Amino acid sequence: DIVMTQSPDSLAVSLGERATINCKSSQSVLYSSNKKNYLAWYQLKPGQPPRLLIYWASTRESGVPDRFSGSGSGTDFTLTINSLQAEDVAVYYCQQYYSSPYIFGQGTKLEIK
Amino acid sequence: QLQLQESGPGLVKPSETLSLTCTVSGDSISSSTYYWGWIRQPPGKGLEWIGSINYSGNTYYNPSLKSRVTTSVDTSKNQFSLNLSSVTAADTAVYYCARRAGGYNWFDPWGQGTLVTVSS
Repeated sequence: DIVMTQSPDSLAVSLGERATINCKSSQSVLYSSNKKNYLAWYQLKPGQPPRLLIYWASTRESGVPDRFSGSGSGTDFTLTINSLQAEDVAVYYCQQYYSSPYIFGQGTKLEIK
Repeated sequence: QLQLQESGPGLVKPSETLSLTCTVSGDSISSSTYYWGWIRQPPGKGLEWIGSINYSGNTYYNPSLKSRVTTSVDTSKNQFSLNLSSVTAADTAVYYCARRAGGYNWFDPWGQGTLVTVSS
């Protein structure tokens, strides 16, 4: 199984500042034939369905604000939230879809400082 | 707009079978493009993919749960279902249904989720 490890477990950032969440996979999720990283990011807020933010490690889902961006390749990935807004308080998860079972990271809780 | 809604008992006894249904609205579950999945989140823990199914009944499951999981599709009702047998307290979780992306295993959108508690 490809294990996903996020850091930090929790994060407090001031409004308007940048939040950075890291995700590391136990083996590469870069598929050599298409040069794509099989990595997605989700946002979970209490009482709301989980929301897909990013797929292919850096492709923003339609409707997701452009302050959210994904980067990285191979085994190391980052979700960056620029100019943090109050509505960004949530738990964020990365997920690899390179191989079954499709494992999620343990989550990073983002709060306002 | 595609929407998914989970339904089923909120309380299941140990050793019994957990059964949930996901009703899809805004699109036909019979689309050959998509698979439909189940994901769960135990209290205080992370997300765990359970399994996925398409309109014709093709399935694939998380190996850690495969021996206890069955899924099915009812195209006439635009629904798909999850059965998890021999449940224990460790199966207590919020269960989500979601659509798997066209050829790849990310999920969007998701249902609201339903809490299932395993307790006598």
